[in-house]
Amino acid sequence: DGGITQSPKYLFRKEGQNVTLSCEQNLNHDAMYWYRQDPGQGLRLIYYSQIVNDFQKGDIAEGYSVSREKKESFPLTVTSAQKNPTAFYLCASSKGRTASEQYFGPGTRLTVT
Amino acid sequence: KNEVEQSPQNLTAQEGEFITINCSYSVGISALHWLQQHPGGGIVSLFMLSSGKKKHGRLIATINIQEKHSSLHITASHPRDSAVYICAVESSNFGNEKLTFGTGTRLTIIP
Repeated sequence: DGGITQSPKYLFRKEGQNVTLSCEQNLNHDAMYWYRQDPGQGLRLIYYSQIVNDFQKGDIAEGYSVSREKKESFPLTVTSAQKNPTAFYLCASSKGRTASEQYFGPGTRLTVT
Repeated sequence: KNEVEQSPQNLTAQEGEFITINCSYSVGISALHWLQQHPGGGIVSLFMLSSGKKKHGRLIATINIQEKHSSLHITASHPRDSAVYICAVESSNFGNEKLTFGTGTRLTIIP
């Protein structure tokens, strides 16, 4: 059963701690994306990767880091430098190196206090 | 001004009503997407279109490239259609690498 998994669904952290969000896909997709969703705003792109061992900054990359060591995995680290990390984070993937027909994971809701 | 604008922001209707959600954009695009976000947060792709009209079940999506406008219609609406509907565009300026999203339309269908 192919799809994208994100874990955990809910995550709580204290301010000043780094936290890593997991994203795994078994769709054999080349491209993967991380988005942030805040109330009243559209999804905003944090980072994206079109091939293994390569990734590009999106519109709001400051305070975040990613890696793409395997095609299936694209973890996102929210660092202590991110000023307002509490948000809903969505991972997505697409076949090929275009944004077409993105498949989304279920999301991780991160709360930092 | 956002590159992608949706209207209305919120829409409440009775079961069975015909629903229209609008999306306007200000950039050149190669394709437009309609997405559905369920209350739990998961997002599914409904349509991707670059011209004309597409239909899937009770959902119809249209796009007018000259007017930079798209509409999503739902016929015979049902409470299970209650969700946030999101319009997103692939801007040709970015070489099709990224999507730009609208803020979404929250649809509530009352039984």
